Amino acid sequence: AQKVTQAQTEISVVEKEDVTLDCVYETRDTTYYLFWYKQPPSGELVFLIRRNSFDEQNEISGRYSWNFQKSTSSFNFTITASQVVDSAVYFCALIPFSGGYNKLIFGAGTRLAVHP
Amino acid sequence: EADIYQTPRYLVIGTGKKITLECSQTMGHDKMYWYQQDPGMELHLIHYSYGVNSTEKGDLSSESTVSRIRTEHFPLTLESARPSHTSQYLCASSESGRAEAFFGQGTRLTVV
Repeated sequence: AQKVTQAQTEISVVEKEDVTLDCVYETRDTTYYLFWYKQPPSGELVFLIRRNSFDEQNEISGRYSWNFQKSTSSFNFTITASQVVDSAVYFCALIPFSGGYNKLIFGAGTRLAVHP
Repeated sequence: EADIYQTPRYLVIGTGKKITLECSQTMGHDKMYWYQQDPGMELHLIHYSYGVNSTEKGDLSSESTVSRIRTEHFPLTLESARPSHTSQYLCASSESGRAEAFFGQGTRLTVV
């Protein structure tokens, strides 16, 4: 099966708290890409990060960091010192090689609300 | 910044009407996609295209149709709109050889 699971439907935090969004994936492919997208209230999906299956290095970009662990098939996303502008729906996604890198498989999304 | 545009942003239309949702990109991407996003947030691929004159159905069955006559343009048509078609429709494109897709702002369709 090719599947992405985001178990947290909604998370609510107070500004400046750290928050981690979980993502677990399933794929029979050994070659694949993982992504995180942000969907603000305006509706578009904003690309945040791509990670290929051969690169398990964690990545940090400002207040954002990503932890990729193949052993647990997880690709978690942490926002440090959250801000109100981080409020959005966040999607984790997978493209397996067997799909010709054509089909993004999305998780159900996690709605993050950051309160002042 | 991605240059992919969808019109209209919002559309309220009566049952039985024919509608076309427009999607254009200026990046010269070969691949284009339509996703349907239901109120529960999940995104489902309904159509995709590898290039001009190529279209394929996605994983979610849809009564809509698409065409790809020009690289930059990938319109979606509903011949007879029904309330069950009420949803947000997101268009995306990607460059061959690169996996990440770039999305438009979406069209929120309401059929009454």
